[in-house]
Amino acid sequence: DAGITQSPRHKVTETGTPVTLRCHQTENHRYMYWYRQDPGHGLRLIHYSYGVKDTDKGEVSDGYSVSRSKTEDFLLTLESATSSQTSVYFCAISESEEGYEQYFGPGTRLTVT
Amino acid sequence: GQNIDQPTEMTATEGAIVQINCTYQTSGFNGLFWYQQHAGEAPTFLSYNVLDGLEEKGRFSSFLSRSKGYSYLLLKELQMKDSASYLCAVMDSNYQLIWGAGTKLIIKP
Repeated sequence: DAGITQSPRHKVTETGTPVTLRCHQTENHRYMYWYRQDPGHGLRLIHYSYGVKDTDKGEVSDGYSVSRSKTEDFLLTLESATSSQTSVYFCAISESEEGYEQYFGPGTRLTVT
Repeated sequence: GQNIDQPTEMTATEGAIVQINCTYQTSGFNGLFWYQQHAGEAPTFLSYNVLDGLEEKGRFSSFLSRSKGYSYLLLKELQMKDSASYLCAVMDSNYQLIWGAGTKLIIKP
């Protein structure tokens, strides 16, 4: 299994509070991704990174920001959590963007009350 | 817009064969992936197709027709542990994965 962890695994927070989720990899892969998964929807890309301090927006980036100061860590921040951000968040890593599979972390279940 | 369609749910019997279809319309094509996801767990990679034809890997096979925007995942000799969701994803021209909503496969004894 690829060495990829996420923390926390579960979190309950209140509307309006900031929340940071962490993704940590030990594979030294260049590409890292944050997705959210909701019932009835496919995985949706929030943000991705193609190197240290190199990030870009995905399909559903509003209300989220990211940072990558080290190869192994990719942080996702919900600046002011809303109930619509209740979801399961997956981090994924990939050696390259073309022709390589993405390996997923175990996920973080976030509930915003 | 970009769209991936796959059936929401399928039921099959232990020991049988099942085919899960996926049709897609995307801006560009750089390969099609199939993933398996057990309930409450992360998706795990099953197969990758970039050229037309059939790729076989043990009990699992994946087929691609780029001209028809169509793929299928074939699972043989079904086992109870194959009960899971199967996710189809297409890599578009920007090398981003566009995901289908997944097909929940229920295996009955």
